[in-house]
Amino acid sequence: AQSVTQPDIHITVSEGASLELRCNYSYGATPYLFWYVQSPGQGLQLLLKYFSGDTLVQGIKGFEAEFKRSQSSFNLRKPSVHWSDAAEYFCAVGAHSISGGYNKLIFGAGTRLAVHP
Amino acid sequence: ETGVTQTPRHLVMGMTNKKSLKCEQHLGHNAMYWYKQSAKKPLELMFVYSLEERVENNSVPSRFSPECPNSSHLFLHLHTLQPEDSALYLCASSQDSGVTDTQYFGPGTRLTVL
Repeated sequence: AQSVTQPDIHITVSEGASLELRCNYSYGATPYLFWYVQSPGQGLQLLLKYFSGDTLVQGIKGFEAEFKRSQSSFNLRKPSVHWSDAAEYFCAVGAHSISGGYNKLIFGAGTRLAVHP
Repeated sequence: ETGVTQTPRHLVMGMTNKKSLKCEQHLGHNAMYWYKQSAKKPLELMFVYSLEERVENNSVPSRFSPECPNSSHLFLHLHTLQPEDSALYLCASSQDSGVTDTQYFGPGTRLTVL
């Protein structure tokens, strides 16, 4: 079955520290992978996506993610976290629906990031 | 962002009320989606519309009734809801409904059912 696991429910880092958020997926075919961020009271904003090609993808706000097929992972990283990065982060895999032809996003449960000054 | 807007942003309703959630996208997209975000569950896809035709009803109870009058507007009509339906309801749109079409989300409607 298709699924996305984000092992860390909450993470707290100090401002300026590096960050890595973990994401593991289960999907039989070529995965289409996404990271979204949700600030309090807001909808989801796309940070980056991976479809094919270079396994290290760059996104907005200084984020990057690396696709590792052997580990079924798509971890999100940022070298230096800012206080404004405090939010909830969602990893998702895009999959064909059972009925076919449309983008069924399967989300992980999310990781809530807190940033200490 | 003004790409996908949702109204109202907050809604409180009783179990016998009838209300509607509205979503509007200004991106010229052909596909629109309703998601439910509960406190204890990952985001759940509810409905998908492509070119104003419903292509997915993800086992959603009939007390939720979607409507897509045109490619820019999507409604979710609510009636006789249960307290467990309290959640954040998110609308999204994408250029088309293919697996590589990125979905853009609205800010959501926070629904509380008393």
